[in-house]
Order: sequence, then C-alpha cells, then structure tokens
Amino acid sequence: DAKTTQPPSMDCAEGRAANLPCNHSTISGNEYVYWYRQIHSQGPQYIIHGLKNNETNEMASLIITEDRKSSTLILPHATLRDTAVYYCIVRVLTTDSWGKLQFGAGTQVVVTP
Amino acid sequence: ETGVTQTPRHLVMGMTNKKSLKCEQHLGHNAMYWYKQSAKKPLELMFVYSLEERVENNSVPSRFSPECPNSSHLFLHLHTLQPEDSALYLCASSLGASGYNEQFFGPGTRLTVL
Repeated sequence: DAKTTQPPSMDCAEGRAANLPCNHSTISGNEYVYWYRQIHSQGPQYIIHGLKNNETNEMASLIITEDRKSSTLILPHATLRDTAVYYCIVRVLTTDSWGKLQFGAGTQVVVTP
Repeated sequence: ETGVTQTPRHLVMGMTNKKSLKCEQHLGHNAMYWYKQSAKKPLELMFVYSLEERVENNSVPSRFSPECPNSSHLFLHLHTLQPEDSALYLCASSLGASGYNEQFFGPGTRLTVL
C-alpha cells in the first residue's frame, strides 16, 4: 500500500470548516483513499473513502485531486467532539484482499471554542 | 456505540500471569481483527480471522494467542507478557475479510504489564 504524509497537528475553530490534507504521491491506480479518526482512548472510526471522484457523507467530504496524488478531508462545521487524530490510509481493494489497514501517525486535530 | 464490545476495558497484570481479552461483535460480521496501539506509535495489526480461520499472523510473539470460537467472538490469550506489551488492544470486525468491507472498532482494552 502507498505511503501517506499528513501534518502532525492542526487547530480549528468551532463552527468553521476543517480542511485536513493528505499527500499520497505514490498511489497506484487501484488504490483507494480512506479516512478514519480516533478520539482519545477510543477505537478508530471510519469516516469516508474514495477512489477518484469526490465523495460526501453525513460526516465529511473527501476531495481527491485529479492526479490523485493528494486529497483533503473536509469537516464542514467542526465541533468540539471532532477533536481527534485523523488518519489517511491508502489501500488496494480487491475481493480477495482482506481488509488490512495500515495506520500512520495521523493528524491531531484540536477544535477550540 | 459501534456494535463491537471489549472486556475488560482496563487490565493490570504481572509478567507471570495468564489473562484473556474478549471481543464480541453484534453486527453479523464474518471477519475479526486484533490491533495493538502502543504509546506514540501507530496502530499495528496483529491477527485477522475470516470465518473463524486465522488468515494473518503479523509476526506476533507466541505469548499472544488468539482464539476465534465463532464469528461473533474473538479472544486474545496472554501469558508471560513483558512490560513493553503494555498498550491499548483494539478489536475490530468487518462484514467479510474482503478489502471492500469497512472495519468497526471496539473501545479497546488498556493493558498494563507490571
């Protein structure tokens, strides 16, 4: 799986949009971009994933550049409960590849009042 | 509440003790996983079970022994651990072991080895 690079930390004001960048310059054509987050002392939580089109769900939006070498996770209206470590993971998805998630260091996001 | 429960939530044990961690999923999933998260280190995959068969053992020392008696339950048996084994142990499950299926994590067991 391709390696990802994320900033170690970022702050965000409550109610504002949080834009979390991720670089994955060695991504292959069949690799998806996944985002998970981990609130302190809890297990990771799936947020969103995509291949090349932008994706949106009730939690966030995922913007993937046209060359797929980077992506941005957008939390549209950050709340204090969004304070967590956010992980960007790139992985191949095939029917016979079991779901190995390779976590990096992630980005510590702190949402402030 | 993810539908994956782990017990105990906290465990303190000596190096000569034998203990077990339990994970239960109420999601009807067929694949279960054990991860280890040490302080200031990324999560590390330990074991993967698909339909009660172990499909991955990620070079984990034999003092960690997993058991999957059915698709809803996963255990991690611990014996003669070392202080460096102190960590948060996370269980996860997914609908199948296919890479397409999302993993749902439990809250973890915080283990301290004295």
